[in-house]
Amino acid sequence: GAVVSQHPSRVICKSGTSVKIECRSLDFQATTMFWYRQFPKQSLMLMATSNEGSKATYEQGVEKDKFLINHASLTLSTLTVTSAHPEDSSFYICSAERTGTGELFFGEGSRLTVL
Amino acid sequence: GENVEQHPSTLSVQEGDSAVIKCTYSDSASNYFPWYKQELGKRPQLIIDIRSNVGEKKDQRIAVTLNKTAKHFSLHITETQPEDSAVYFCAASDNYGQNFVFGPGTRLSVLP
Repeated sequence: GAVVSQHPSRVICKSGTSVKIECRSLDFQATTMFWYRQFPKQSLMLMATSNEGSKATYEQGVEKDKFLINHASLTLSTLTVTSAHPEDSSFYICSAERTGTGELFFGEGSRLTVL
Repeated sequence: GENVEQHPSTLSVQEGDSAVIKCTYSDSASNYFPWYKQELGKRPQLIIDIRSNVGEKKDQRIAVTLNKTAKHFSLHITETQPEDSAVYFCAASDNYGQNFVFGPGTRLSVLP
C-alpha cells in the first residue's frame, strides 16, 4: 500500500519558537496534500490544501501567516507553525492524495506540545 | 460544496454482533467513498472504499454499500471483535481529490 511518512511524531517546544513538520509520500506522487488538526475525541479539521508548485488554500479561520505550508515537490509538503503558543498544542496530521485517483493516505501524525 | 453527514456518532455493540454506520453526501459529482478507521492517537487507516460505478464491495468482515440515487453509503462490520473498537470516518471525494470531505466520525465500542 501507499506510504506517507510524517516527522516528527512528537515535538515539544517553548512558546514563541517555530516548528516544522514534514509530510512525505514515499512510493507515489502526490500533487495534493492536506493538513489537518485533530483535537481529542474529535474529527479531523482540515486546515489547508497544499498543491505542488502553488500557494496553499487555507480553510476559513486558519491563519496562513501562522501556519506556513510549502509543497515544493510531488512527494513533500511541510507545515511550519510559527511563533507557537500553548493553544497551538494539538495533533497535526497530513494526508497525500495519489495523483489522479482521489485516494488519500495519512501520515502518522505529529503531536505538538507548546510549553 | 460537498457536505457529509454520518450517523450514529457513537455505537456500542456486543462482541459478535454486527455494526452499521451510515453516511450521506450532498454533491452528486462525488464518485469515491472511502472509510477510515482511527485508533486512539494513531493515523486514520483506509479500511475499504467504493467507487460510484459499484453498488457493493466486501472484504472479509467489512462491507460497504452505495446508493447513488439517495446519496448515501454505509459501512457494515459483521462478527465484531474488541479490536474493531475505534473511530470510523467516512468521506466523499471526486477523482481529483479536490473535494475530499470527511464525516464527523463514529466512535464504535465493541463490548466483550
